[in-house]
This record gives sequence, C-alpha cells and structure tokens, in this order.
Amino acid sequence: DAKTTQPNSMESNEEEPVHLPCNHSTISGTDYIHWYRQLPSQGPEYVIHGLTSNVNNRMASLAIAEDRKSSTLILHRATLRDAAVYYCILRATHNNDMRFGAGTRLTVKP
Amino acid sequence: NAGVTQTPKFRILKIGQSMTLQCTQDMNHNYMYWYRQDPGMGLKLIYYSVGAGITDKGEVPNGYNVSRSTTEDFPLRLELAAPSQTSVYFCASRTFTRGLGYEQYFGPGTRLTVT
Repeated sequence: DAKTTQPNSMESNEEEPVHLPCNHSTISGTDYIHWYRQLPSQGPEYVIHGLTSNVNNRMASLAIAEDRKSSTLILHRATLRDAAVYYCILRATHNNDMRFGAGTRLTVKP
Repeated sequence: NAGVTQTPKFRILKIGQSMTLQCTQDMNHNYMYWYRQDPGMGLKLIYYSVGAGITDKGEVPNGYNVSRSTTEDFPLRLELAAPSQTSVYFCASRTFTRGLGYEQYFGPGTRLTVT
C-alpha cells in the first residue's frame, strides 16, 4: 500500500489560513486521497477527498499536485474548534480498508 | 439516524478475561471496521467486513475475533485480555453505493483498560 508522510505537528493563529501538507510519492493511479480529522476525545470525521482535481467543500479545500505525489489540505480561516489531528490517507478504489497513519496535530492559537 | 453506536463507553478488564465490544449502525452500510488507537498514536485497523457473513483481517488482528451475522451489527471479541490491548476502540461504517462510499462514519469509541 502506498504510504503518506505528514508533519507531526503544526501551529496556526485563529482566523488565519492553514495549509496542511501530505507527501505520497508512491501513489498509484487508482488511489484516492482522503482527509479525516479527529477532535479531542472523539472518533475521526471525514473532511474531504479527491483523485486528481482540486476539491472544495464547506469544511476545507484540497489541493492536489499535478503529479499527485503530494497534496495540501487548506482550512481557509482556522478557528479554535479546528484544533485536531488531521490524517491524510490513500485508498485504492479496489481496496475495502482504510488505514490511518499518525497524522498532523494542529494547534490553533487565539 | 443514530449513526454508529458503541457499547460500552468504558471498561476495565483483568488479564485473561474476555469481553465483546458491541457496534451497531442504522445507515444500512455494507462496510464496517474496527480500529484501535493507543495513546498519542494513530488508528490501527483490526478487522473489517464488506457485508454480512464476510470478514477480513486488518493490520493488527491478533488477539481479536469478529463476526458479522447482520448488516447492522459488527461485534469485536477479545479473548484472554492482555495489557497490550489497553486502548480506545473505534467502530466505523461506510456505504458501498457507486459514486459514494468515500465517507467513513465513526462511533464515539470504547475505552478499554486491561490490568
């Protein structure tokens, strides 16, 4: 399975944009890029996913490099409630399982 | 919809005891998953199921068993509990509809301590 590499931790100021990077240099053509986040003492929740094109939803934007070897989750205006661990995950369309790495712990400062 | 529910929320087991962690979803999802999360770490996949009667091993299946007799329920069985199984256990589900099924829904977790 293709692996992802994320920074262990990042800090942001409240109401500023946050760019969370993810490297996946061994990604294959059938791998979707998924992002989940885990708020303190909760189960993970879905944020966004994409294949080749950039994606936007109400929570965030996903920017995917042209060669697909990296991607960036963008939170346009960080709030204190966005403090969480963010996981970047690859899942091939033929795979039924979803495997999480260690993620990036985002701290948002007021 | 209640989504994914897990019971119990907390449990303390003695070494060698057994227990079953319950997971139920009311979204008619085909796929269900069990993960464990050790303190300060990411989630590890234990077992998953693509439908009633079908289960498969994940990354860390040793010491656990699962069954899937209905679409709604996916219990996780611990036999002969060991301190290494102290963890938070999350159940999740997702649909299998073409064009959907990208979003996994997680339960609130069961915090298990083995002493």
